[in-house]
Amino acid sequence: QSVLTQAPSASGTPGQRVTISCSGNSSNIGRNYVNWYQQLPGTAPKVLIYRNNQRPSGVPDRFSGSKSGTSASLAISGLRSEDEADYYCAAWDDSLSGWVFGGGTKLTVL
Amino acid sequence: QVQLVQSGAEVKKPGASVKVSCKASGYTFTSYTIHWLRQAPGQSFEWMGWINAGNGNTYYSQKFQDRVTITRDTSASTTYMELRSLKSEDTAVYSCARDNVKVGAAFDYWGQGTLVTVSS
Repeated sequence: QSVLTQAPSASGTPGQRVTISCSGNSSNIGRNYVNWYQQLPGTAPKVLIYRNNQRPSGVPDRFSGSKSGTSASLAISGLRSEDEADYYCAAWDDSLSGWVFGGGTKLTVL
Repeated sequence: QVQLVQSGAEVKKPGASVKVSCKASGYTFTSYTIHWLRQAPGQSFEWMGWINAGNGNTYYSQKFQDRVTITRDTSASTTYMELRSLKSEDTAVYSCARDNVKVGAAFDYWGQGTLVTVSS
């Protein structure tokens, strides 16, 4: 059971906008930044969003992040087939004194 | 280019220990912190702990602190994660990852992962 809660799956058609949510509590998302990772099949994760809404260089602006209270969201606009992957949210948890992750959302591009 | 290359797959019996290595290249090894995480089959990530490659300071997850030791060899630009008293539930892919303050301490480079199988 992951500390952060994500829906196990999401889907969309090419060109569509999809949103993936991540729910936590006052010890993690409520107090700390959220990072988002993309894991393509058989590969190591890649950081997509850091500090709630910042994109590392090289990440397309189709990917955006937001946070409100104890929840965070990752939005992907202009959905493409290569976006089919697992997406994980992560945050530092002050009570557990460690990084905690969501269970992951498997995105399918129909 | 930055690379983290891990050692190969391991098969261990319950009660044994495993030591996984993570060799860094393409950057100044002692300027960054390396974290260790694991991902059990079909599960999400569990963070295990970190080591400051510069001064060797470590910090462990409460869940693993009695069983894990993370070390580094600066001459070899390599970090090591040893997990003791293995149980079948420790079967997972173990990964090292570098955190980078330039991306808010997110993990910007990851190793390829090492599968550790615990089975009698």
